[in-house]
Amino acid sequence: TQLLEQSPQFLSIQEGENLTVYCNSSSVFSSLQWYRQEPGEGPVLLVTVVTGGEVKKLKRLTFQFGDARKDSSLHITAAQPGDTGLYLCAGEGSTLGRLYFGRGTQLTVWP
Amino acid sequence: DAMVIQNPRYQVTQFGKPVTLSCSQTLNHNVMYWYQQKSSQAPKLLFHYYDKDFNNEADTPDNFQSRRPNTSFCFLDIRSPGLGDAAMYLCATSRVDRGDTEAFFGQGTRLTVV
Repeated sequence: TQLLEQSPQFLSIQEGENLTVYCNSSSVFSSLQWYRQEPGEGPVLLVTVVTGGEVKKLKRLTFQFGDARKDSSLHITAAQPGDTGLYLCAGEGSTLGRLYFGRGTQLTVWP
Repeated sequence: DAMVIQNPRYQVTQFGKPVTLSCSQTLNHNVMYWYQQKSSQAPKLLFHYYDKDFNNEADTPDNFQSRRPNTSFCFLDIRSPGLGDAAMYLCATSRVDRGDTEAFFGQGTRLTVV
């Protein structure tokens, strides 16, 4: 099993603050994905990063893939209550199609 | 416009009584997954189908079985549910291109065992 470690596990901040969550592994991944999950729903894909060192921006969200393709980060600028949710990173394992998830970061943004 | 549909959304079953959860997709994706997710935990991969090839995770209990009769449908059978099997069960699909596995999830089935 290729483990993905996410940190922090819980994050509670005020509206307008910035934050960064991390996804780390000792394994190299061909790609990493970030998902957001709301209570009672399935995860929804936010972004896929493929190239080492890649940076992708999605409005206030910035995703970075480490140069060695072992880690990734998600930075949110000026967080809003609507950003509240469980943020999950996922990577494809050694078997094609096998997709593993990190434990997730539960983000709560207070008005 | 739902592309991955899970039925039912909520399922209550008795301890030890077999239960089947279903998943269908309109995306024509070649890979289908079943994940188990317990409260405040990551989705745990139970197994996945790559086309017709079944891939079981080493730590998936024998109590859990799966069937994929065609590309569009996949079923999760729990032969003798225990209290510890109460969880959200998530079905997902992906097309699996080289270096890029993007998964599309259904809304999940919340299983309660009484």
